[in-house]
Amino acid sequence: GQQVMQIPQYQHVQEGEDFTTYCNSSTTLSNIQWYKQRPGGHPVFLIQLVKSGEVKKQKRLTFQFGEAKKNSSLHITATQTTDVGTYFCAGRTGTASKLTFGTGTRLQVTL
Amino acid sequence: GAGVSQSPSNKVTEKGKDVELRCDPISGHTALYWYRQRLGQGLEFLIYFQGNSAPDKSGLPSDRFSAERTGESVSTLTIQRTQQEDSAVYLCASSLGTDRTYEQYFGPGTRLTVT
Repeated sequence: GQQVMQIPQYQHVQEGEDFTTYCNSSTTLSNIQWYKQRPGGHPVFLIQLVKSGEVKKQKRLTFQFGEAKKNSSLHITATQTTDVGTYFCAGRTGTASKLTFGTGTRLQVTL
Repeated sequence: GAGVSQSPSNKVTEKGKDVELRCDPISGHTALYWYRQRLGQGLEFLIYFQGNSAPDKSGLPSDRFSAERTGESVSTLTIQRTQQEDSAVYLCASSLGTDRTYEQYFGPGTRLTVT
């Protein structure tokens, strides 16, 4: 079955440093979504990428979808303590309705 | 409009007992998903419903797990003869449909502890 892996599993940065999480799928994806889960909270949708090579930005967050549509990345510039949480990618294959969530990357930011 | 709601927020049960978890999706959302999240882990897909179509039950871990949904409204996830390994947060999500472009809105989850 489809597998979606994320690296790293955990990253601890100081406020102001940059952060990147990588998402890799075993199969080609029709689209990819990113979610953020704060500690003790539930996942919240951040963004969706559909096109090969697509890049989208949300303030300090930059999302990229690979050319082969099998990988994606989320880059945060100049992290803040409010960025703390676990970031999940989630992808669909073909016309499938089911989202397969990645393993997640937990980000810790300290002053 | 309210978001996705789930009840109870916390449930402690003894091993071997049955539990029923409830999810109220956002009004108008035709798709509903259940996930399991063990402590510090990712989201494990359990089941999804889309309108009146047959549900996709491919993620249910055993026949002790079942779920129902009435039309496009509330859904219940039932776990029979609970085991300690069932302890987790059970998350429900809804979306406007199952088209690949639709985002999922998650409820706050039910934390299940089996003692």
